[in-house]
Amino acid sequence: QVQLQESGPGLVKPSETLSLICSVSGYSISSGYYWGWIRQPPGKGLEWIGNIDHGGGTHYNASLKSRLVISVDTSKNQFSLKLTSVTAADTAVYYCARAPDTSGWGYNYWGQGALVPVSS
Amino acid sequence: SYELTQPPSVSVSPGQTASITCSGHKLGDKYACWYQQKPGQSPVLVIYQDRKRPSGIPERFSGSNSGNTATLTISGTQAMDEADYYCQAWDSSTVVFGGGTKLTVL
Repeated sequence: QVQLQESGPGLVKPSETLSLICSVSGYSISSGYYWGWIRQPPGKGLEWIGNIDHGGGTHYNASLKSRLVISVDTSKNQFSLKLTSVTAADTAVYYCARAPDTSGWGYNYWGQGALVPVSS
Repeated sequence: SYELTQPPSVSVSPGQTASITCSGHKLGDKYACWYQQKPGQSPVLVIYQDRKRPSGIPERFSGSNSGNTATLTISGTQAMDEADYYCQAWDSSTVVFGGGTKLTVL
């Protein structure tokens, strides 16, 4: 059974860097598929952040690209998110998820989500 | 940038058919998928490649996609189907979500 689990700090201060790790079990990231980050501000809809594949190839939301880095560590079976210069607008539940392809499938496995408040 | 538009809310009586639309420019030329999200839970994929159901999703969930509109249809809607529903499409290897539709079963 594939499982994803987000981990990271419970609170980030404005102007600092938000860092999250997604740990994957039940499937080896190096075997393939696409690994994504999606966020959801409180009471609002889903916003796609970006994807990475097992080889490290990335695609980012254009509105976040200048502040965003997604990377993969196949030795630990993890992928991570770094978002710099955060503001209160970055407060959200952050989900990691897996998609079999980048055309017809959606994200068929999701983590439980990690709430990251941005506040001083 | 590509955009997907959904109605904010849809209401349906138990046992009736609910239809939720998702509109985007030439969306029919892409694949659409749909997620169900209940309060406090992660989204669940209910339809992919326009009309396919992942394992474990009830047959009452179906999808279609043509022209500029994709549609999620829930037949014989049950109280447990009350949730937020999001459409999603891929646009040149990037992901676009619709704004979401709150389905109320009353």
